[in-house]
Amino acid sequence: GQQVMQIPQYQHVQEGEDFTTYCNSSTTLSNIQWYKQRPGGHPVFLIQLVKSGEVKKQKRLTFQFGEAKKNSSLHITATQTTDVGTYFCAGNNNDMRFGAGTRLTVKP
Amino acid sequence: DAGVTQSPTHLIKTRGQQVTLRCSPKSGHDTVSWYQQALGQGPQFIFQYYEEEERQRGNFPDRFSGHQFPNYSSELNVNALLLGDSALYLCASSLWGTGANEKLFFGSGTQLSVL
Repeated sequence: GQQVMQIPQYQHVQEGEDFTTYCNSSTTLSNIQWYKQRPGGHPVFLIQLVKSGEVKKQKRLTFQFGEAKKNSSLHITATQTTDVGTYFCAGNNNDMRFGAGTRLTVKP
Repeated sequence: DAGVTQSPTHLIKTRGQQVTLRCSPKSGHDTVSWYQQALGQGPQFIFQYYEEEERQRGNFPDRFSGHQFPNYSSELNVNALLLGDSALYLCASSLWGTGANEKLFFGSGTQLSVL
């Protein structure tokens, strides 16, 4: 069955440093979505990528979808303490399968 | 505009018991998906309901069953509880008919502890 793998599992950065998390699927995806879960909270939708090679930006966040539609990345420029949380990718191939997430901590 | 609501927020059960969790989708949504999230893990897909039928199912045993009502609300039932069933159970609603491209709106979850 479809598997979605995400690395790294944890990332600790100094405030102002950049952060990147990577997502890989064992199968080609129809689309990929990214979610953020704050500690003690529930996943909140960030963005959806549909097209091969697509790049989308949301302020300091840049999302990419690979040419083969099997991998994706989320890059945060100049992290802030408000970026703390776990970032999940979710690959869509008839149903939504989540990666294990990357837990980001930011030191002020 | 009501978001996704789940009840109860917390639940403690003992091994072998049965549990029912409830979810009301976001207003205007007709599809409900259930996820299990163990501590430190990503949400694991249990199943999805649309038009009162199970449409997709993840790799969960038959002890996990569900139901969707005409008002689109849903229940998740787990029989013969095991210690390993302890987790946060998330309900997510979406709108069918937009392909599989609709984003998921999650509820705050039900924290189930099995002792």
